[in-house]
Amino acid sequence: AQSVTQPDIHITVSEGASLELRCNYSYGATPYLFWYVQSPGQGLQLLLKYFSGDTLVQGIKGFEAEFKRSQSSFNLRKPSVHWSDAAEYFCAVGVIQGAQKLVFGQGTRLTINP
Amino acid sequence: DAMVIQNPRYQVTQFGKPVTLSCSQTLNHNVMYWYQQKSSQAPKLLFHYYDKDFNNEADTPDNFQSRRPNTSFCFLDIRSPGLGDAAMYLCAVSGGLETQYFGPGTRLLVL
Repeated sequence: AQSVTQPDIHITVSEGASLELRCNYSYGATPYLFWYVQSPGQGLQLLLKYFSGDTLVQGIKGFEAEFKRSQSSFNLRKPSVHWSDAAEYFCAVGVIQGAQKLVFGQGTRLTINP
Repeated sequence: DAMVIQNPRYQVTQFGKPVTLSCSQTLNHNVMYWYQQKSSQAPKLLFHYYDKDFNNEADTPDNFQSRRPNTSFCFLDIRSPGLGDAAMYLCAVSGGLETQYFGPGTRLLVL
């Protein structure tokens, strides 16, 4: 069965520091991979996605992610975080069952220290 | 401009009183989804419509129903809300095999 693991439930970094959020997936075929961000009381906003091609994917707000098939990982990175990056981050794999369905990780809550 | 619109943003209902949540889209996408998200949890898919075809998840309670009268609109009906149904309800749309775009959500409170 498909699954997504985000090992870190909560991460705290200082403003201006670099960030890496981990994501590991389990899926038999070539995965469609996504990172979404959710601010408190809001919906999910797409940060970036990987379908095929270049394994380093650029997203919005200065985020990037790297697909590593050998490690079944799709880690999210940002070189310098801003206070506005504080939010919940969800990694997801897209599974085609008729339409595409998303299997989410449990999320990583990011706190930014001033 | 908003692509997925959910109304209302906040809904308060009484235990057992039917409630309907609304979702509309300006993208003209084939698929519309409803998710339930409880505090500090990932969204959980309840069901989706692929065009007019309704697809229910196996573990979605019978208390939850949905209607899609046209391409643009989809409704979530909770027939008899219980305290455990208090959550954020998220609507999403996609072109079928492509990216899902989410609305801002409706927070439901059950008294």
